[in-house]
Amino acid sequence: AQTVTQSQPEMSVQEAETVTLSCTYDTSESDYYLFWYKQPPSRQMILVIRQEAYKQQNATENRFSVNFQKAAKSFSLKISDSQLGDAAMYFCAYSDNQGGKLIFGQGTELSVKP
Amino acid sequence: KAGVTQTPRYLIKTRGQQVTLSCSPISGHRSVSWYQQTPGQGLQFLFEYFSETQRNKGNFPGRFSGRQFSNSRSEMNVSTLELGDSALYLCASSKGLAGGRNEQFFGPGTRLTVL
Repeated sequence: AQTVTQSQPEMSVQEAETVTLSCTYDTSESDYYLFWYKQPPSRQMILVIRQEAYKQQNATENRFSVNFQKAAKSFSLKISDSQLGDAAMYFCAYSDNQGGKLIFGQGTELSVKP
Repeated sequence: KAGVTQTPRYLIKTRGQQVTLSCSPISGHRSVSWYQQTPGQGLQFLFEYFSETQRNKGNFPGRFSGRQFSNSRSEMNVSTLELGDSALYLCASSKGLAGGRNEQFFGPGTRLTVL
């Protein structure tokens, strides 16, 4: 069975600094997708970034980028120039090609200090 | 374009009762997935519906059921409520079958409290 692990329950970053959130996963599949979702206090889940496993190039979305290490089954999220609005719970998630099931990690609560 | 809507937003029930939650997907989306979020278990997949058919099911007891209508709106039902069913229930919709290729857009959730 596939699993997703986030080993950092809480992280803190100074405004304008860079922070990296860690995620590891386990799967026997070769074709799959990885995601980072943001859940602010409003509880609305928002997709931050998506990575397709067959693409070696790391995904980037503005200030957000990932470091995808397929062999190590590692998928970290880097947030550059952190802003107060980045404060939220961040979830790493996995999906294969077979259906709509997202498997989530336990989450990392990110706080941003002014 | 309107986002995913869920009703009601908050619900209080007592043990043994049943509850029905509703989810209206984004217009044109045919897939609806449901997730349960609790502090202890985190986010867990309940089921996915596509074109009125259940395509995928998570590891939940039979008290949890769902359905999808021809307009893609979905409902989930929990019978014989238990205290442990208290959770935030999230619905997500996507254009095609969900999974990596089709982004899932989440609703604001329904907060269920079982007393």
